[in-house]
Amino acid sequence: EAQVTQNPRYLITVTGKKLTVTCSQNMNHEYMSWYRQDPGLGLRQIYYSMNVEVTDKGDVPEGYKVSRKEKRNFPLILESPSPNQTSLYFCASSFQRETDTQYFGPGTRLTVL
Amino acid sequence: AQSVTQPDIHITVSEGASLELRCNYSYGATPYLFWYVQSPGQGLQLLLKYFSGDTLVQGIKGFEAEFKRSQSSFNLRKPSVHWSDAAEYFCAVGTSGGYQKVTFGTGTKLQVIP
Repeated sequence: EAQVTQNPRYLITVTGKKLTVTCSQNMNHEYMSWYRQDPGLGLRQIYYSMNVEVTDKGDVPEGYKVSRKEKRNFPLILESPSPNQTSLYFCASSFQRETDTQYFGPGTRLTVL
Repeated sequence: AQSVTQPDIHITVSEGASLELRCNYSYGATPYLFWYVQSPGQGLQLLLKYFSGDTLVQGIKGFEAEFKRSQSSFNLRKPSVHWSDAAEYFCAVGTSGGYQKVTFGTGTKLQVIP
């Protein structure tokens, strides 16, 4: 089944404790992206990757890191999480063309205390 | 830079009534436009998209949207709403620069009453 998976789905952590949210897709998509969703703000793009070893900042990259060492995986790293990073995070993937549909993962709800 | 405005934060309609969700975009070139739906606790699913051709686009679940360049709008419509349509709806605009760069609106939450 074609899908985007994220782990963990739920995470409660404390300020400053490094964490990684994994994202994996099995559709051979070149493009992958991370979004955060906050009430009243919709989805805002954090980082995106157009292919292996090619990443770039989205609209709200501060406090996040990403890497793209393999085509299928695009982990999101929070080196020192803070409470303002409490949010719902979505990973998405698609083929490269701008008209292609993005497929979204189920989301990761992160709470930073 | 592109932007999307969804002026209605929350809409309530009766089951069986028609629905129109508004979306206005700002982008200097030809936009690629999308509508996504997010059911409670779920990820986003594409309803429909427009990038060229006929300005009236048909999507899944009986939805359609019309691109109006003169009004910079891409409103989503459904002639008869079902209770299962209760969800949050996001309009999004993509660039036409040869790669994916999508900006989402803030969403409209649809409530359906019996």
